[in-house]
Amino acid sequence: NAGVTQTPKFRVLKTGQSMTLLCAQDMNHEYMYWYRQDPGMGLRLIHYSVGEGTTAKGEVPDGYNVSRLKKQNFLLGLESAAPSQTSVYFCASSYSGLAGGGEQFFGPGTRLTVL
Amino acid sequence: EDKVVQSPLSLVVHEGDTVTLNCSYEVTNFRSLLWYKQEKKAPTFLFMLTSSGIEKKSGRLSSILDKKELFSILNITATQTGDSAVYLCAVGRMEYGNKLVFGAGTILRVKS
Repeated sequence: NAGVTQTPKFRVLKTGQSMTLLCAQDMNHEYMYWYRQDPGMGLRLIHYSVGEGTTAKGEVPDGYNVSRLKKQNFLLGLESAAPSQTSVYFCASSYSGLAGGGEQFFGPGTRLTVL
Repeated sequence: EDKVVQSPLSLVVHEGDTVTLNCSYEVTNFRSLLWYKQEKKAPTFLFMLTSSGIEKKSGRLSSILDKKELFSILNITATQTGDSAVYLCAVGRMEYGNKLVFGAGTILRVKS
């Protein structure tokens, strides 16, 4: 049981390049999330998904796109990378419904640098 | 606008000290407050609190929630160097999607 995994772990891009970050979970969770973490700012939600084929914007969605073609996978895309997108990106997943408290399970993160 | 504020932003203590980390919040439709520990990589879950006044404990760590005053504290007794980490507070709302609003975190460094 791997939990939440992310690929790649590190990446360096030049301004204007594109890339896709992959998140996979094996816990059969309905909900998945992409966050970015910058120094002194905690975790900020980029986009999220409440099920296969659905996506929604979070707090800081500009410059990013997402897709959830399969329940276990959630992809984050940068079409034209900018230096302001240099950050650590975390994927998370959680159970659906209002039972419980909404705990999210996190992947190990991807460190992205845009030059 | 939903807000989660943690204090202090950082602190340095010596092994064996007791520390108290604070988290205050202003969130509509409150559901739960969660504490996570982050050591370089993924945040790992510590506690989830939904009811006021009920302390949750795990070893040397404990936490309590005050829903009237809108805050929570995380206590760590007899600190060890392995407690050095960023401690994140997050608040969940009673809404579709189970989104969390995170505070900026408290950086704790425990010196030997």
